[in-house]
Amino acid sequence: AQTVTQSQPEMSVQEAETVTLSCTYDTSESNYYLFWYKQPPSRQMILVIRQEAYKQQNATENRFSVNFQKAAKSFSLKISDSQLGDTAMYFCAFPGNTGKLIFGQGTTLQVKP
Amino acid sequence: DAGITQSPRHKVTETGTPVTLRCHQTENHRYMYWYRQDPGHGLRLIHYSYGVKDTDKGEVSDGYSVSRSKTEDFLLTLESATSSQTSVYFCATRDRDRPYEQYFGPGTRLTVT
Repeated sequence: AQTVTQSQPEMSVQEAETVTLSCTYDTSESNYYLFWYKQPPSRQMILVIRQEAYKQQNATENRFSVNFQKAAKSFSLKISDSQLGDTAMYFCAFPGNTGKLIFGQGTTLQVKP
Repeated sequence: DAGITQSPRHKVTETGTPVTLRCHQTENHRYMYWYRQDPGHGLRLIHYSYGVKDTDKGEVSDGYSVSRSKTEDFLLTLESATSSQTSVYFCATRDRDRPYEQYFGPGTRLTVT
């Protein structure tokens, strides 16, 4: 079965500091994508970053980067220079059959001033 | 962003009444999905469509039905709403040839009293 696990229900970080959100997954596929979505209080699902499994280089989008460990099936999100606008729920996701997304349980991140 | 709208955005209904949620897209995407979001579960797939009149069940499909009579519209129906169906519902779409890009609507908050 394909599963995604986020073991940190809640996290907090001081503004301008760095925080890492953890995600592990399970799949028998060899080529796939992994995603991090942000859901602010507005409820809109926003794609933050994606990683293609066949690429060894970790994806980076401005202050957001991932640590992708394929053998360990780990896909963590690092947010550098945290900003108040980063306060949101973050979901790790993995596409299953027919393109449906399998989501982790989510991590609520609070950025404190 | 893809043009995906959901209606209504908020709804309160009573147990036992039928409810229909609508998802409308302007991107001509082949695949459409309905997810529900609940605390501690992330987003879970209810039903999906891979073309006009082609639909299939997701992992939490009991109590729900869907219809897709044209490319742009995907309807989710709760035949007889129950309190366990109180949730936030998201529609998403995906182009056939771009499995790494799934676009989400703004969500519908449904409360069943």
